[in-house]
Amino acid sequence: EVHLVESGGGVVQPGRSLRLSCAASGFTFDISAMHWVRQAPGKGLEWVASINLNSATIVYADSVKGRFTVSRDNAKNTLYLQMSSLSAEDTAFYYCAKDMAGQSFWGIDYWGQGSLVIVSS
Amino acid sequence: DIQMTQSPSSLSASVGDRVTITCRASQDIGNYLAWFQQRPGKAPKSLIHAASSLQVGVPTKFSASGSGTEFTLTISSLQPEDLATYYCQQYKTYPWTFGQGTKVEIK
Repeated sequence: EVHLVESGGGVVQPGRSLRLSCAASGFTFDISAMHWVRQAPGKGLEWVASINLNSATIVYADSVKGRFTVSRDNAKNTLYLQMSSLSAEDTAFYYCAKDMAGQSFWGIDYWGQGSLVIVSS
Repeated sequence: DIQMTQSPSSLSASVGDRVTITCRASQDIGNYLAWFQQRPGKAPKSLIHAASSLQVGVPTKFSASGSGTEFTLTISSLQPEDLATYYCQQYKTYPWTFGQGTKVEIK
């Protein structure tokens, strides 16, 4: 069974940094592309970033480009999202999600349970 | 960016009713369309990929169709556990974009 477990969320001051992790199990992580999607409280879903199986292809939403970095450690079956220069607009649940493909992107088939990031002074 | 527009934004239906949600894309996305269900307080769950293909384990009461710019998701017989917000999403081009969601309530 596929499991994606996010961690690292919490309350952070504006302008500071935070790193989210997503521990993956139940599938072959190193042949799967992965994504981060966020959802502000009470709002809709917003795609954040995508990374293919070997990190050769990485794409970001304009809203986070230059501030967020997605990476993966295939030896540890873990996906990361390094977030810097955080602002209140980044307050959201952050979901990691598995893609149906690996080298390219063919859409999401599984989601984690989410990690809440609150940016507040 | 491709805009995804869902209608209606919310609906209320009775148990056993057939429910249909529409999603329109601002440009041709072929069949690069997914549907997700998000129950209250829970993470999203994948229902449909490639516009009409059920994800593994999704009950067959869910069906979907469409291509190009117009898509539909149908629940054949609404049940209490179907209370949720449903989102469409295009993955034809980056940035991936979602519809605003359709909240399904039970009368």
